[in-house]
Amino acid sequence: ETGVTQTPRHLVMGMTNKKSLKCEQHLGHNAMYWYKQSAKKPLELMFVYSLEERVENNSVPSRFSPECPNSSHLFLHLHTLQPEDSALYLCASSQDIRGDTGELFFGEGSRLTVL
Amino acid sequence: LAKTTQPISMDSYEGQEVNITCSHNNIATNDYITWYQQFPSQGPRFIIQGYKTKVTNEVASLFIPADRKSSTLSLPRVSLSDTAVYYCLVGVGGNNAGNMLTFGGGTRLMVKP
Repeated sequence: ETGVTQTPRHLVMGMTNKKSLKCEQHLGHNAMYWYKQSAKKPLELMFVYSLEERVENNSVPSRFSPECPNSSHLFLHLHTLQPEDSALYLCASSQDIRGDTGELFFGEGSRLTVL
Repeated sequence: LAKTTQPISMDSYEGQEVNITCSHNNIATNDYITWYQQFPSQGPRFIIQGYKTKVTNEVASLFIPADRKSSTLSLPRVSLSDTAVYYCLVGVGGNNAGNMLTFGGGTRLMVKP
């Protein structure tokens, strides 16, 4: 248990569906992140939020839409996805976005399959 | 961005010490070095972080030479449960999220009985 909870753990959706991934942290952290991990590939940083403001968006397609309503919750809204978007989506949090403040705490991930 | 280079894979046997080296030739003055462990279908887990010389905790040691252009993660007496992918990250001690949080390819460690 890392203190970062992701739901659902598994999601299967069609290309025309709209779904959302949820992440919650009770660690009092100020920064939250979405990563994508495709099969046998390194983790790809998608979005970074610091104090509820988006500070990084690594050229992610608009079919992925993040939302950070408060410092404890992070959502990833999904719509009109493609089969190549099937991957493990990982949420993480950290005290701040500074590299010297220690570790990233990851959730268990949401395994997404797009049919 | 301080790019990292690690061996793609390593094999070891139970009870042995494993050393995984990461090269980061263009590390900057403010960069810290952090190692993570990842099991299949799980999020990475923090192992250890350091800036220079040697850092030790209950699970690993991190050796950083004076020039800081490389670092070595040392796992003492590995067991089968240490089979995982190990990532080395190098990032700035400032408000630059992109530099800090980019993972490389990692090293896939296989521990055999």
